Amino acid sequence: EPEVTQTPSHQVTQMGQEVILRCVPISNHLYFYWYRQILGQKVEFLVSFYNNEISEKSEIFDDQFSVERPDGSNFTLKIRSTKLEDSAMYFCASRQGMSGNTIYFGEGSWLTVV
Amino acid sequence: AQTVTQSQPEMSVQEAETVTLSCTYDTSESNYYLFWYKQPPSRQMILVIRQEAYKQQNATENRFSVNFQKAAKSFSLKISDSQLGDTAMYFCAFMESSGDKLTFGTGTRLAVRP
Repeated sequence: EPEVTQTPSHQVTQMGQEVILRCVPISNHLYFYWYRQILGQKVEFLVSFYNNEISEKSEIFDDQFSVERPDGSNFTLKIRSTKLEDSAMYFCASRQGMSGNTIYFGEGSWLTVV
Repeated sequence: AQTVTQSQPEMSVQEAETVTLSCTYDTSESNYYLFWYKQPPSRQMILVIRQEAYKQQNATENRFSVNFQKAAKSFSLKISDSQLGDTAMYFCAFMESSGDKLTFGTGTRLAVRP
């Protein structure tokens, strides 16, 4: 069964460093997402991406965050200057097309900022 | 803005028994989608079941079924014949029919006892 894959599974970084989280969405999917889950809290929407541009973003997704689809398969989330409060599980997700189609999640990238 | 409420932070059930997890939501939309996701200790987000609001029939997936009460804005998950592998965090989630993002509840931690 096709799945969303994410790398790395776990990354530890120094505060102030740049981090890039990578994702390969399901191949025939058109909509891509990043969600975040701080330990012990609920999953929060960060950003959605369609047709090579951001379609919606949350208040969390400030100027320190950016997303990119550099080629036909990868979808990346960059955090320019990490803060301690960026420590969280970051989930990439995708869906095929029509509104209401199920959103499928990757296994997550656990980011620890020290 | 939509909100999703899961009033049971933790639940416990004996193996082979049935358990029901509660979820309520608030929206002014008439058409939308509701989901239950499972997050086992591995922290992957796995889709359990999905319901379309315009369908009166409750969704069913093997041992998992929902009780969708649109007027009451209630969307509970019933797990029959509970198995040890059902031990996980369960998140209820909402998506507008014209929308592009999931709004999650705070989750219910389910423990299945042998």
